[in-house]
Amino acid sequence: QLQLQESGPGLVKPSETLSLTCTVSGGSISSSAYYWGWIRQPPGKGLEWIGSIFFSGDTYYNPSLKSRVTISIDTSKNQFSLKLNSVTAADTAVYYCARHSPPPGTWRWFDPWGQGTLVTVSS
Amino acid sequence: QSALTQPRSVSGSPGQSVTISCIGTSSDVGGYNYVSWYQQHPGKAPKFMIYDVTKRPSGVPDRFSGSKSGNTASLTISGLQAEDEADYYCCSYVGSYIFAFGTGTKVTVL
Repeated sequence: QLQLQESGPGLVKPSETLSLTCTVSGGSISSSAYYWGWIRQPPGKGLEWIGSIFFSGDTYYNPSLKSRVTISIDTSKNQFSLKLNSVTAADTAVYYCARHSPPPGTWRWFDPWGQGTLVTVSS
Repeated sequence: QSALTQPRSVSGSPGQSVTISCIGTSSDVGGYNYVSWYQQHPGKAPKFMIYDVTKRPSGVPDRFSGSKSGNTASLTISGLQAEDEADYYCCSYVGSYIFAFGTGTKVTVL
């Protein structure tokens, strides 16, 4: 059973870079042609797709965040990562990692999801 | 891209049916049959409930059903149960390798 787990600092200062890692267990991140995504949810608000990465390293980002986001993948560690720079209080959210639907048609749904990790932006 | 529009809340008594709408445009909901739905209980990660507009993953009760008409997708919960009280989000592929989520709907079981 595939499982995803987010990890990283729970507190980031304004203007600094938020860095999170998603560790995949129960399967290889590079064994099939999957995309892997990041989604966030500010407290009391809705879900927002941040971006996704293909097992080969191709990346796609939400246009509203594209200038500040970098997603990378480390197949040797079975992990993919998120970096969001120049953060403000508006970036305070629970950050989830998730796997896309299997091929063909890999942009159809997200499942499974990690449990999420709260990142607070505050000085 | 903009968030898809959902009603803020819907409610129903146990055993009744409720329907949640997800309004998009011809560029997202209306343009692709790639609408999915997620259930989220407080403090929990979203749970995958519906895919490709109408299909249910294994393990999802058949009282959950999805449909689409034009630019509006819908999730119907029939025979409402107490455990169905949660937030629900639609999600659609919008082309150019981009996803959009709905604004979310709180379902209350009276």
